Amino acid sequence: QSVLTQPPSVSGAPGQRVTISCTGSSSNVGADYDIHWYQQLPGTAPKLLIYGNNNRPSGVPDRFSGSKSGTSASLAITGLQAEDEADYYCQSYDSSLSGSVFGGGTKLTVL
Amino acid sequence: EVQLLESGGGLVQPGGSLRLSCAASGVSFANYAMSWVRQAPGKGLEWVSGVSGNGGSTYYADSVKGRFTISRDNSKNTLYLQMNSLRAEDTAVYYCAKGVPQNWFDPWGQGTLVTVSS
Repeated sequence: QSVLTQPPSVSGAPGQRVTISCTGSSSNVGADYDIHWYQQLPGTAPKLLIYGNNNRPSGVPDRFSGSKSGTSASLAITGLQAEDEADYYCQSYDSSLSGSVFGGGTKLTVL
Repeated sequence: EVQLLESGGGLVQPGGSLRLSCAASGVSFANYAMSWVRQAPGKGLEWVSGVSGNGGSTYYADSVKGRFTISRDNSKNTLYLQMNSLRAEDTAVYYCAKGVPQNWFDPWGQGTLVTVSS
């Protein structure tokens, strides 16, 4: 079991909006450590999508946005496109483990 | 643009050792902390280890503590991961990435596959 909990899968039609949740605890997300999100396309290395809860690296479309509240965070994707079909991971720091932790990943299917 | 290239993966027997390398280019390597993250086949991401820019501070996941050693040679712009006492559960693609456990990882290398099997 991963320290951060994500739904195994989500799906949506092209053009729709989907959200992916990431739930932690008082030793990570709830301890005010930032959440970061990664996109992993099939057969490729992960790519940073959102850093510091809600910041997009250069080149990431503004269709992707992040938010955080309490012990949970969310990634929202609007205007779904076929190219968004990928695995998405959240990541934070855990003070009890003294290390970085990831969610189990969410597979996004574009119908 | 920062580029990271891992090497050194392969097939190793349980109990064996392997050393991974990650060559960096396009960055002032010594200025940045680096980490290793792995992904078992069909599974999610797992942070493995991190090291500060000067190599003075190192961090390990409990699953590898005492068996793996992270190091770097800033004169060669290269990050290493020495893996000893390897187990079947260490089988994974190992990625190097710029960043510390307390923050985000960006960018990532393309990964190198380590298979532990008899």
